[in-house]
Amino acid sequence: QMQLHESGAGLVGPSQTLSLTCTVSGDSISSSAYYWGWIRQLPGRGLEWIGYAYRTGDTFYNPSLRSRVSISGDTSKNQFSLRLSSVTAADTAVYYCAVKRGVMAAFDYWGPGTLVTVSS
Amino acid sequence: IVLTQSPATLSLSPGERATLSCRASQSISNFLAWYQQKPGQAPRLLIYEISNRAAGVPDRFGGSGSGTDFTLTIDSLEPEDFAVYYCQQRERWSPKYTFGQGTKLEIK
Repeated sequence: QMQLHESGAGLVGPSQTLSLTCTVSGDSISSSAYYWGWIRQLPGRGLEWIGYAYRTGDTFYNPSLRSRVSISGDTSKNQFSLRLSSVTAADTAVYYCAVKRGVMAAFDYWGPGTLVTVSS
Repeated sequence: IVLTQSPATLSLSPGERATLSCRASQSISNFLAWYQQKPGQAPRLLIYEISNRAAGVPDRFGGSGSGTDFTLTIDSLEPEDFAVYYCQQRERWSPKYTFGQGTKLEIK
């Protein structure tokens, strides 16, 4: 059973870059079976898909965030990361790392989430 | 594609049947999933590809629908089923995902 856990700064200043890492246990992100990425939950409930990546380096981003987002993986550490640049208060959210399997269009595994607040 | 869930809140008693709706702004493929979220927890995948239960999901949870209208049905509600439910779709020709705004299932 795959387990995920997010880590990173909980407070980021406006216009700075948000950086989070997801540590995976129970299976390898280098497996051909998985795509790994990020989803956030904005205040008041709304869930927003940010993007995901594959072991080949291919990345897929939400068009609304594409200019500011980067997702990358470190297979040696079994981790993957999110960078979101030029953040504003609107980026305040709970950020989840999540994994989907192969051709499935749904996310099987989720981390517990981490709150990131954008504020000076 | 916008997903609209209804009702926003559904008040039922344990043992009753819950019917939750998810309507898409245009016809979508079979890439429709449902999640359950309890307070302070991450969403949990229940149903994928309209009607397939994820591993470990009880068979009282069922999904159906096609085109623009989809339904999550929960037969004989258990106390642990009271939570917020989200639908999610992936666009047919591109890996873009969107979620509905959620339905809160509360104890009556």
